[in-house]
Order: sequence, then C-alpha cells, then structure tokens
Amino acid sequence: EAGVAQSPRYKIIEKRQSVAFWCNPISGHATLYWYQQILGQGPKLLIQFQNNGVVDDSQLPKDRFSAERLKGVDSTLKIQPAKLEDSAVYLCASSLDPLSGNTIYFGEGSWLTVV
Amino acid sequence: AQSVTQLGSHVSVSEGALVLLRCNYSSSVPPYLFWYVQYPNQGLQLLLKYTSAATLVKGINGFEAEFKKSETSFHLTKPSAHMSDAAEYFCAVSEGSFNKFYFGSGTKLNVKP
Repeated sequence: EAGVAQSPRYKIIEKRQSVAFWCNPISGHATLYWYQQILGQGPKLLIQFQNNGVVDDSQLPKDRFSAERLKGVDSTLKIQPAKLEDSAVYLCASSLDPLSGNTIYFGEGSWLTVV
Repeated sequence: AQSVTQLGSHVSVSEGALVLLRCNYSSSVPPYLFWYVQYPNQGLQLLLKYTSAATLVKGINGFEAEFKKSETSFHLTKPSAHMSDAAEYFCAVSEGSFNKFYFGSGTKLNVKP
C-alpha cells in the first residue's frame, strides 16, 4: 500500500515569494491533515479536512496560508507571501476516517527554507 | 483542548541501557495515546498506540508503553537501547469526534556507544 506522498521535498525561496506544497493521501483515507513543524518543536496542526470539507483551520494564518482539497483526495497548501518564520517542515498526514483513535499516517514532509 | 507534556527535550543513554521517555497528558476522559518516532529528514512513523484494550502496549523495534490513568502518563520504554534508536520521539493524544491530534514537543534520544 502506497504511503502519503508529498512534493516537493525541499524548497528554498526568498521572503515575500510564494510556494505551494502538494499531498496525496493514502488511498481511501477521508481525513487529511497539514501540520507545520518548526525545528525543535512538535507538529502543529494547520488545517484538517474531512473529505473536501474543512474540519479545523483555527491555527492557519489565513492572511498568507491557504489550502484546498477540491475533490476530496489530494490537497495543496500555499503560502503567499512567505515570511522568514515560515521556515519549517510541512507534514501532510491522513487517516481512514475521523473517529478518535484512528492512526494518522505521515508523509516524509516538505522542507521549506525562507531566506 | 488536550495538552501533552514530554519531560526532557534531550535524553542520552548508553547502548544497551534502559530507555525511558516520559509523557503526561491532560484529559478528563480516557484518551487515545500514541508514540511516534522521527528519524532525520523523515516524517513521523507510528511506534505504538493505546486504545483502551490493554494498559501495556507493545510496539515496533522493542518499544513498549504503559498507560497509567492515575498518573495521566504514557511513558515509553525499551529495555536495551540500540544505536539505531537515535531519533526524536513524539507523544500524541487524539480526541474528539474528528480525531484531532495534539503532539508533545518531542524528546531527542541520543545513544552513546
């Protein structure tokens, strides 16, 4: 079974530029998460989708971050314009359904450096 | 909302020694608890999870964790550390009808030869 796929793995951009990350979850997984992991910290939830609807985006900086999951499968996370403090790993994860206790499976992450 | 506390951002042990990584959570109801491991430049990988079936949970790579409700703890242990265990370990709790996950700040395990 294929895992969670993410691209690109690494990206370096200048501040005020834009960047987009793509995620394809495990086949059949209805719930998709985007996490931000800053060096030395645990993952912080940015947005959670259930199919193509948003369950939680309370910690998403909506003035610069946006995410979509139009067909309820793959998802894109965009940052525009980027700031230095956005340098982090962006982790996509998925779970079969939103029932508590379901394991979430992570992709390898997209490393972003803003200079 | 849940909170997860991992005591000790860095733990160093000798190869062959006991590994003990601490995790405490806050919850008024029985939670679902997880340990994940993150190797350098990789995503998080599930080590084990507690879903109320048994208080002692065995995971991959010889790790296990014990759920102690009275102490609100879910500490991770391994009897004998191996060099390949060097990584960062995250405790997490899941709650709610939408399977929201909350992660601790992580503990970086260093294994000395």
